[in-house]
Amino acid sequence: GAGVSQSPRYKVAKRGQDVALRCDPISGHVSLFWYQQALGQGPEFLTYFQNEAQLDKSGLPSDRFFAERPEGSVSTLKIQRTQQEDSAVYLCASSSLVFYEQFFGPGTRLTVL
Amino acid sequence: GENVEQHPSTLSVQEGDSAVIKCTYSDSASNYFPWYKQELGKGPQLIIDIRSNVGEKKDQRIAVTLNKTAKHFSLHITETQPEDSAVYFCAASALDMTTDSWGKLQFGAGTQVVVTP
Repeated sequence: GAGVSQSPRYKVAKRGQDVALRCDPISGHVSLFWYQQALGQGPEFLTYFQNEAQLDKSGLPSDRFFAERPEGSVSTLKIQRTQQEDSAVYLCASSSLVFYEQFFGPGTRLTVL
Repeated sequence: GENVEQHPSTLSVQEGDSAVIKCTYSDSASNYFPWYKQELGKGPQLIIDIRSNVGEKKDQRIAVTLNKTAKHFSLHITETQPEDSAVYFCAASALDMTTDSWGKLQFGAGTQVVVTP
């Protein structure tokens, strides 16, 4: 089967605009993670879902960031009133409950002008 | 929380030589340590991992060692090839006891490996 897919791959937003980033996990994967990767840095954890339940959102940098996974499959990361410091690559990863490996998608590169 | 430090930040090696990247972690509860390879414009790709009940694991030219007492783990690449050029990340994770599932990964800052022919 296919791996983790993310869309769009690139997004340019004007400061103050809202954006929505989509993640399609590997079919059957219960766990889904969002990470933020600034240029030249390692990925930083944002939030984690197990099925539709958001179990950990401790990494979300502000209340402008919101994530959902209503049916336990596709997830959307929404950023409201984007700021320049939100510019980064947003990575999605999924894993099964039985195995601990996290498989990453290609990421969405967000540029806020 | 967990803190992972990774060294060196850049590593240049001649084709055929070995490369070693080292990481240390702070949380003794961490028990899963994956290594990822990231090429430009792509997401991280899992290349090898190790759990805390194992001291060493090998997969062809790649090996990982773990010293739980000292809280450090290392990636070894032998007989390097130009296609090994990429950024490598170490990471650490602990079992989330409240949900009985593997939790978030804490990543190191990355090592840029350049293999010159």
